[in-house]
Amino acid sequence: QSVLTQPPSASGTPGQRVTISCSGSSSNIGSYTVNWYQQLPGTAPKLLIYSDNRRPSGVPDRFSGSKSGTSASLAISGLQSEDEADYYCAAWDDSLNGPGYVFGTGTEVTVL
Amino acid sequence: EEQLVESGGGLVKPGGSLRLSCAASGFSLSNAWMIWVRQAPGKGLEWVGRIKMKIEGETTDYAAPVKGRFTISRDDSKNTLYVQMNSLKTEDTAVYYCTADRTVTTDYGIDVWGQGTTVTVSS
Repeated sequence: QSVLTQPPSASGTPGQRVTISCSGSSSNIGSYTVNWYQQLPGTAPKLLIYSDNRRPSGVPDRFSGSKSGTSASLAISGLQSEDEADYYCAAWDDSLNGPGYVFGTGTEVTVL
Repeated sequence: EEQLVESGGGLVKPGGSLRLSCAASGFSLSNAWMIWVRQAPGKGLEWVGRIKMKIEGETTDYAAPVKGRFTISRDDSKNTLYVQMNSLKTEDTAVYYCTADRTVTTDYGIDVWGQGTTVTVSS
């Protein structure tokens, strides 16, 4: 059971801007940085955004991340067909069960 | 190129055991936090557990659903990660990804992923 909540789906036409939200709490997003992962169909996930808003080498600047309080968001500007994928936010969490890394519920992005 | 290759997946009966292995190449896993992540069919990602570096005492942390049943270990001399899975349940059915956090902090995320190995628990 994920403690980070995302909308199940998002969509847009090519060139549009799409935003995905990620809602957490003080024990995860409120205390740690947020990372985002992209999972293309049939493949392993890939790190897309780290430390709230930084892109690994090779990730297009169409992808951007932000965080405020206990929520974060991922924006995809200039949406392209190859952006069709599942997107997951994630953060470390200091839960009563001990430290752990929690993933969001995931958002499926469709390019119309 | 950094690469992680899992092996050992397969079909096992409920209550059974399985050991997954993960061989690293292109980098030394001795300098990384090694993490197992799983994904049940049609579901999202789930963190299974982590093992820290040797200099950190190879401390392990586990997700609540697997605590007491799974054991993560590492053999840095073989550049290999393991997870011993006991008392398997049908809900453990998933693709298991071997992953690495080479920054060994809570800030930068999981930067290396394997291709995954499938574990099916069924009678």
